[in-house]
Amino acid sequence: ETGVTQSPTHLIKTRGQQVTLRCSSQSGHNTVSWYQQALGQGPQFIFQYYREEENGRGNFPPRFSGLQFPNYSSELNVNALELDDSALYLCASRGQGNTIYFGEGSWLTVV
Amino acid sequence: GIQVEQSPPDLILQEGANSTLRCNFSDSVNNLQWFHQNPWGQLINLFYIPSGTKQNGRLSATTVATERYSLLYISSSQTTDSGVYFCAPGGGADGLTFGKGTHLIIQP
Repeated sequence: ETGVTQSPTHLIKTRGQQVTLRCSSQSGHNTVSWYQQALGQGPQFIFQYYREEENGRGNFPPRFSGLQFPNYSSELNVNALELDDSALYLCASRGQGNTIYFGEGSWLTVV
Repeated sequence: GIQVEQSPPDLILQEGANSTLRCNFSDSVNNLQWFHQNPWGQLINLFYIPSGTKQNGRLSATTVATERYSLLYISSSQTTDSGVYFCAPGGGADGLTFGKGTHLIIQP
């Protein structure tokens, strides 16, 4: 158990729609980050939040946005979905000693 | 950004065999982690190892930060070890940088 839970597990959206993915991490894990993993590739860093403020961002357009809440939950929002957004989306939180724990991911299919 | 190369890309072994997975990275790093991704997509943290050597059961890892590489050793492989192994330096504001991974298959 990593202590990081994500929802939903699987979802299908239509091109142009918007999607919200959710993550809940352990109490005290103030840093949460999101990653996109396309089939056959390693995860790619989307952005990171620390105490509800975005403090790092990868090479993703502004239609990828996020929120972190005081209760250690967070969201990833993607607007104007494109077919290439189909991927596994992973949430990660930083625990003690800089160890990073991942949730089980949300599989997004855009049709 | 940091470039990460992992080798070999694919590895097929019989149960009970030992293996060494290598990770080379292009810049000096303060943090490095090894993960195992199971067939369902779950990434499990194996080691946080910015330098030195750590062991956990049949697995051990060594990072030589000055020479920009890390090694993951798996001894007495079991079928449950199958999956993709990633090394990922970074973890600060730029996030973790993942390589393409080593796809390991352990045959019974």
